[in-house]
Amino acid sequence: DAMVIQNPRYQVTQFGKPVTLSCSQTLNHNVMYWYQQKSSQAPKLLFHYYDKDFNNEADTPDNFQSRRPNTSFCFLDIRSPGLGDAAMYLCATSRGRETQYFGPGTRLLVL
Amino acid sequence: QQQVKQSPQSLIVQKGGISIINCAYENTAFDYFPWYQQFPGKGPALLIAIRPDVSEKKEGRFTISFNKSAKQFSLHIMDSQPGDSATYFCAGSSTLGRLYFGRGTQLTVWP
Repeated sequence: DAMVIQNPRYQVTQFGKPVTLSCSQTLNHNVMYWYQQKSSQAPKLLFHYYDKDFNNEADTPDNFQSRRPNTSFCFLDIRSPGLGDAAMYLCATSRGRETQYFGPGTRLLVL
Repeated sequence: QQQVKQSPQSLIVQKGGISIINCAYENTAFDYFPWYQQFPGKGPALLIAIRPDVSEKKEGRFTISFNKSAKQFSLHIMDSQPGDSATYFCAGSSTLGRLYFGRGTQLTVWP
């Protein structure tokens, strides 16, 4: 089945230790998104790639970066995680402006 | 600024009852209004969506009612079931499919 896959599902890191979350998709969608979702809150868009064009939200901390080496893969890098970065990180994809399909998320814990 | 306002924050409904969740938006550029359902530990999944040229859309037990002049839309879940217990997010979408989510409604359906 075509889908959005996120690895790992759970990630534990130490305060200040860089961490990378990955997302892959078999939908062949040209747009990929990264969202941060904290407990009992709505998903918050961090960035998205429209094809190869990178779009950063104005309030996304500099601590967060992203890479999209090809259509299928997208990575979220957190350079120096703080306690406030503990959250669920959701990857989503879409074909242009059509429906966004979300992956299962990676839950990040910062110790 | 909250571009999409959602209420109530939580909702408890008896099995077989009607669940109603309301949303209001400010941005008249929004032209796509999806509802997402999210179970604990999972990513959001598209439930149903509507465009502003339609006043109502029904899919099974789920209905969206849309009032363009009032900039409001609502989700009605008929014959609510315990399996419908989840968090529901409304959203509005403008250019590039960027989604602006409401804060979410936690629905509990008692058996």
